[in-house]
Amino acid sequence: GAVVSQHPSWVICKSGTSVKIECRSLDFQATTMFWYRQFPKQSLMLMATSNEGSKATYEQGVEKDKFLINHASLTLSTLTVTSAHPEDSSFYICSASGQGGTDTQYFGPGTRLTVL
Amino acid sequence: QKEVEQNSGPLSVPEGAIASLNCTYSDRGSQSFFWYRQYSGKSPELIMSIYSNGDKEDGRFTAQLNKASQYVSLLIRDSQPSDSATYLCAVTLQGGSEKLVFGKGTKLTVNP
Repeated sequence: GAVVSQHPSWVICKSGTSVKIECRSLDFQATTMFWYRQFPKQSLMLMATSNEGSKATYEQGVEKDKFLINHASLTLSTLTVTSAHPEDSSFYICSASGQGGTDTQYFGPGTRLTVL
Repeated sequence: QKEVEQNSGPLSVPEGAIASLNCTYSDRGSQSFFWYRQYSGKSPELIMSIYSNGDKEDGRFTAQLNKASQYVSLLIRDSQPSDSATYLCAVTLQGGSEKLVFGKGTKLTVNP
């Protein structure tokens, strides 16, 4: 149990376009979902925390108008990178918690974004 | 600033040996502690969670927690080359927040 999927696994887009990444908990209802970004050889950086039906809480320094998060249901959260630029190229990873009533976070496989 | 400290390594052990990974944390009120494994280019994978002082064993892995010393460790017995990865220690903050504070990770290499 506790499987989290992400789609797409990788995406290449042109500068100025928007990209949507989906995160799904496949076998449990996720009370909370988290979005992280990881640059090469660096640690995970939490971008935002979202609960179903509520506005996401963004970490300091993360532009909420650029990184739009929608937590539409207990099994689906989406991250939209708007007007992407090359510096947004990174590995985006979601996680979900709530399985078995615990605070354990289970991570999706990640989405590698390259902005040309 | 709440911190989680890990020895960045790299830690190199021969196949079949015990690998010992250590982590200290600064938030005395932390309640939940996790070890994740991350292979290069992949996302983190949960290895163990531990909530109470003492040891918790799962197969070849044993997590140890000492809240008084603010210390958590992971032992890997009979290390295999497939265990070669970066191991991340993560801790929740006091107050019931589900947010995790990650250490920078320890890179483990198991030599055949």
